[in-house]
Order: sequence, then structure tokens, then C-alpha cells
Amino acid sequence: ETGVTQTPRHLVMGMTNKKSLKCEQHLGHNAMYWYKQSAKKPLELMFVYNFKEQTENNSVPSRFSPECPNSSHLFLHLHTLQPEDSALYLCASSQGHSLVQEAFFGQGTRLTVV
Amino acid sequence: AQSVTQLGSHVSVSEGALVLLRCNYSSSVPPYLFWYVQYPNQGLQLLLKYTTGATLVKGINGFEAEFKKSETSFHLTKPSAHMSDAAEYFCAVSEGTGGGNKLTFGTGTQLKVEL
Repeated sequence: ETGVTQTPRHLVMGMTNKKSLKCEQHLGHNAMYWYKQSAKKPLELMFVYNFKEQTENNSVPSRFSPECPNSSHLFLHLHTLQPEDSALYLCASSQGHSLVQEAFFGQGTRLTVV
Repeated sequence: AQSVTQLGSHVSVSEGALVLLRCNYSSSVPPYLFWYVQYPNQGLQLLLKYTTGATLVKGINGFEAEFKKSETSFHLTKPSAHMSDAAEYFCAVSEGTGGGNKLTFGTGTQLKVEL
């Protein structure tokens, strides 16, 4: 148990569906992140939020829409996805700006787009 | 931009043997380096990190890593492998984004432990 909880753990969706991934952290951290983990590729940083403000969008397609209503919750809204978007989506949190602070990861949501 | 290279996508060792997982980094500033482990169907768990100070860093589960600036390396070792060490291991370097902490990961090394 890392203190970062992601739901659902598994999600199968059609290309025309709309779904959302949820992440919640109980660590009192200020920064939250979405990463994408695809087979045989390095983890890719998608979005960074610090104190609820988005500070990085790593050229992510607009079919992925993040939302951070407060420092403890992070969502990733999905719509009109493509099969190549199938991956493990990992949420993480850390104590803000400090580079020495490690990120704590959730268990991920395994997304399959059919 | 920073980058991380992990040599060997798959490493296989016998139980009780030395584990050595290689990581080299590229950074224009003094790096902060991390090793994470990922078990099947799980997220990433921190094994250890180097920030400043002592270059030999000890982590959980008997793992350690040594920061060698001259070689731009941060290899992960464990003297004696256990079956429970079978997992995927990721080396990462951090940099600031203006807010938050951006981790750049290597492609990972899958460790297999055989009897």
C-alpha cells in the first residue's frame, strides 16, 4: 500500500466510449502525475499538476483530458480513444518541487481499447 | 534533456547469485537518481535513491546502488538473489518542471531468478 489509490484497476472501452480514471492520494503531497506505460517502451510522463495547477502537458493528444479538483484527487477523462492507447496508466504523487522527493505510484489502471 | 539507458532488457540469475542491473544516465546538472521495482500487475515501488552525499546507497530488500559520476552510472546490485526478486526494475533521473518533479525512466530490466 503506497498511499496512492487508482480506480478502476481494469477497464475495457470501445473507441466511441467516454470513461474516466480516478486517482486519490492520502500522503499530503502537492504534486500529482499521470504516466503511461506501454509494452517495450519507457514510462511516458503525460501530465503534471502542482497545487491543482497543470504545470506540464507532455504533448498528449486532446482525447486525454486531465482534471485535478484538489491536491488529493486526479482524474483522467478519456474519449474517442484508439487501440494504440491501450496501456497501463499510472498515477503518482510527490512532495512538490523538491527533486529529492521520490514519486509514490498507484497500482495502475490497465486500459484496453477495443 | 536528461536520459537513462538500462543495458539488458532481460537478466537471468540463479538463486543466491549476485544481481547486477546496469543504468547509465545523461544529465546536464547534478542528477538525482532512483531505482524502482515493479511486480506483475502492480505499480512502481521505490527501492532506493541518490540525492547528495554518500555515493553508495542502500535500499530495501538488500539492494544497493553506487553513484559513479565519472562513469555516469548508477548500477543496482544485490549480493544474493532470491526468488522473490523476480520483477522489472526501472532506473530514473529527476528534473524539475517548474512545478512538481519530472522523472525520466529507462526502458526497464526484467529480472528472472532461477533455482
